[in-house]
Amino acid sequence: DTEVTQTPKHLVMGMTNKKSLKCEQHMGHRAMYWYKQKAKKPPELMFVYSYEKLSINESVPSRFSPECPNSSLLNLHLHALQPEDSALYLCASSQGNFRGRNHTGELFFGEGSRLTVL
Amino acid sequence: DAKTTQPNSMESNEEEPVHLPCNHSTISGTDYIHWYRQLPSQGPEYVIHGLTSNVNNRMASLAIAEDRKSSTLILHRATLRDAAVYYCILRVPLPLLGLVFGKGTKLTVNP
Repeated sequence: DTEVTQTPKHLVMGMTNKKSLKCEQHMGHRAMYWYKQKAKKPPELMFVYSYEKLSINESVPSRFSPECPNSSLLNLHLHALQPEDSALYLCASSQGNFRGRNHTGELFFGEGSRLTVL
Repeated sequence: DAKTTQPNSMESNEEEPVHLPCNHSTISGTDYIHWYRQLPSQGPEYVIHGLTSNVNNRMASLAIAEDRKSSTLILHRATLRDAAVYYCILRVPLPLLGLVFGKGTKLTVNP
């Protein structure tokens, strides 16, 4: 079982709707990530949060708005999406540094939220 | 970013060893070689990583060429559960940069 929990698992929304994807981890990780994955393609990095601050935005359209309210939670707010935004959205977390017992910098992924935009 | 090249797909038989190759001819001295896999309908999961020396863990072994321009992920006895897309990723030791995935190798395991 993954230690990164994403909700909802499935979401269908219209182009005028506002919805949010949620991600939660309780491993004490201080870095959290959003990825987008289209069918039969590799995951693409969207955002990176470090210590609750946005550190990387990979030129993602403003209709995607990330939020990190605390070190355990990461949200992705969705507004005025397009059908081509339909994809699997993956959340991941990792330690904020390479110190400590775990030196791998391993990312732990959730199972994803499958989004369909009509 | 340094890039990796992997075969699009490979096939194996159950209980046989599998060698998944990865070329990374532009690797820099500080790049770590990471492997992740993504099982169907799941998020990616960490498999193994290394810098220069060969590495073993409970999931797999990683053999790294002496010049570090290529590496091979070894699954010693493939099971049906190992059917997945395997990604070879170069990563600098800066955790906040995240992972940049290439196309990966889709491994099919035949019973």
